Amino acid sequence: QVTLKESGPGILQPSQTLSLTCTFSGFSLSTYGMGVGWIRQPSGKGLEWLANIWWDDDKYYNPSLKNRLTISKDTSNNQAFLKITNVDTADTATYYCARITIAAPWFAYWGQGTLVTVSS
Amino acid sequence: DIQMTQSPSSLSASLGDRVTITCRASQDIGNYLSWFQQKPGKSPRLMIYGATNLEDGVPSRFSGSRSGSDYSLTISSLESEDTAIYYCLQYDKYPNTFGAGTKLELK
Repeated sequence: QVTLKESGPGILQPSQTLSLTCTFSGFSLSTYGMGVGWIRQPSGKGLEWLANIWWDDDKYYNPSLKNRLTISKDTSNNQAFLKITNVDTADTATYYCARITIAAPWFAYWGQGTLVTVSS
Repeated sequence: DIQMTQSPSSLSASLGDRVTITCRASQDIGNYLSWFQQKPGKSPRLMIYGATNLEDGVPSRFSGSRSGSDYSLTISSLESEDTAIYYCLQYDKYPNTFGAGTKLELK
């Protein structure tokens, strides 16, 4: 059974760095073909893909935020991470992580999301 | 980036109606398209992958089709539980891109 759960700071101030954690079970990021992606959704708005990381540490970023994003993983603890530097109010959103595989790169499994508010 | 133009942005239909939502891709994406359903306060739920394949557990009244660069999600007979926002996603090329969403309501 695949499950994912996001965690984050809840609230942070403009210019700070946002650190998000995705803790998952039912698969391993050390297994061939596995990956995790991050997607966000401002309240009342649409979905925006942010980044993917694969079992081989291959990484892909949305170029609209590329310089601010860093995705990483800890295979021992079944976690994936996303950092966003220099946040501002436009980064206020619910952040989701989701599982992808080489055979199924379409975000079949999602976490419940974590709400992040950027406010001074 | 590949743009996914989704239409309509909102739709009001009656129980039992046939409903179709469409996404048009700005470049060739083959069949690398999925559809998600999102209800208020919930995470998106995968409905269709590979443009036409029904995800396990999704009711058979949902179907996906493709005509050229146009991809459609059809609900053959609308039920009350289908009210939600629907999004398409292209995963052929990075950056993956979502359509803007279609809000489906009951008339």
